Amino acid sequence: GAVVSQHPSWVICKSGTSVKIECRSLDFQATTMFWYRQFPKQSLMLMATSNEGSKATYEQGVEKDKFLINHASLTLSTLTVTSAHPEDSSFYICSARRDRGPEQYFGPGTRLTVT
Amino acid sequence: GIQVEQSPPDLILQEGANSTLRCNFSDSVNNLQWFHQNPWGQLINLFYIPSGTKQNGRLSATTVATERYSLLYISSSQTTDSGVYFCAVSGGGADGLTFGKGTHLIIQP
Repeated sequence: GAVVSQHPSWVICKSGTSVKIECRSLDFQATTMFWYRQFPKQSLMLMATSNEGSKATYEQGVEKDKFLINHASLTLSTLTVTSAHPEDSSFYICSARRDRGPEQYFGPGTRLTVT
Repeated sequence: GIQVEQSPPDLILQEGANSTLRCNFSDSVNNLQWFHQNPWGQLINLFYIPSGTKQNGRLSATTVATERYSLLYISSSQTTDSGVYFCAVSGGGADGLTFGKGTHLIIQP
């Protein structure tokens, strides 16, 4: 149990367009999901915490108007990168947490390339 | 926020060797997890271990919460153990994980 999926696995988009990434918990309900970003050969950095039915909480330095997060159900959170620029190119990874504990389970990630 | 330091940053070993990876953290935690990131970027959960000792096959982990460190042991290393190992923690009312910089492990045949 505790499987998390992401879609798409990779995406290439042109500068100025928007891209939506989906994160789903497949076999459990997740009140809380998280979005992380990883640049090449670096560690993961928390971008935001997504809570079902409420506004996301963004980490300092993350533009909430650029990275729109929606957590409309207990199994789905989406991250939309608006007006993407080449510097937004990165590996985006989501995680989900069961309601009964703090352990997080990670999706396979989405590699975004903005040309 | 909590600071996480991992050591060593890089480790090259021969197949069959044992290794110890260390994670130091700066404050009390309610979550500590060890991950292995495979070449495709997927984070594989190894241990959820905010305190105590756990074992899973050739891998084991120990967290001494009072001294703010955790150790990951890999015995009889195999080439498939190669990759980056991350320690991540949360605490102080924050739910999101803070990751260390990782240990890049290379197991040579």
